[in-house]
Amino acid sequence: DSGVTQTPKHLITATGQRVTLRCSPRSGDLSVYWYQQSLDQGLQFLIHYYNGEERAKGNILERFSAQQFPDLHSELNLSSLELGDSALYFCASSVSPGGGELFFGEGSRLTVL
Amino acid sequence: ELKVEQNPLFLSMQEGKNYTIYCNYSTTSDRLYWYRQDPGKSLESLFVLLSNGAVKQEGRLMASLDTKARLSTLHITAAVHDLSATYFCAVVLYSGGGADGLTFGKGTHLIIQP
Repeated sequence: DSGVTQTPKHLITATGQRVTLRCSPRSGDLSVYWYQQSLDQGLQFLIHYYNGEERAKGNILERFSAQQFPDLHSELNLSSLELGDSALYFCASSVSPGGGELFFGEGSRLTVL
Repeated sequence: ELKVEQNPLFLSMQEGKNYTIYCNYSTTSDRLYWYRQDPGKSLESLFVLLSNGAVKQEGRLMASLDTKARLSTLHITAAVHDLSATYFCAVVLYSGGGADGLTFGKGTHLIIQP
């Protein structure tokens, strides 16, 4: 158990809908990263927050957004969902603001029908 | 843009054999990580390599880093079935603000047959 908690574990929804994925980092970790894993694209970095502030953006679509709250949990919002958004979404946390070892949650598997 | 390439992407081997997975990356980085992922599961950290020439070993797995060649290897000795998994290498991504997240290779899907 990495100490990173993600909910929900599984989510099935329809195209055009909006979902929110939640992540609680390890105790003491200030950095939260979101990654998308799909068969064709592999593990893609989406976005990084450190202590409530956005630090870096990766290949995150404009339909997706995220935030990190004062209690350090983070939410990833996915809107206007398309079939291609079906993937496993991982949250990872780290104690450092960048370059440190990442500890991954169990992931949220999103299926868009 | 940082690119991380692993090879092979698929590997089927027999128990008891040795093999090496290679990880090349395109830009300067002084930190490299190896992760293991079982099907449908999370990623588990295996090794953290923080300097040129670093070598880490855990059981039948040994990882090394050559920052000058931008190459890391993960060597499997006398493979056993329990090592079947997908192995990822990941390199620190440096942006204008300094060190940031990790860029992952596509992973090596390893199957070890009895």
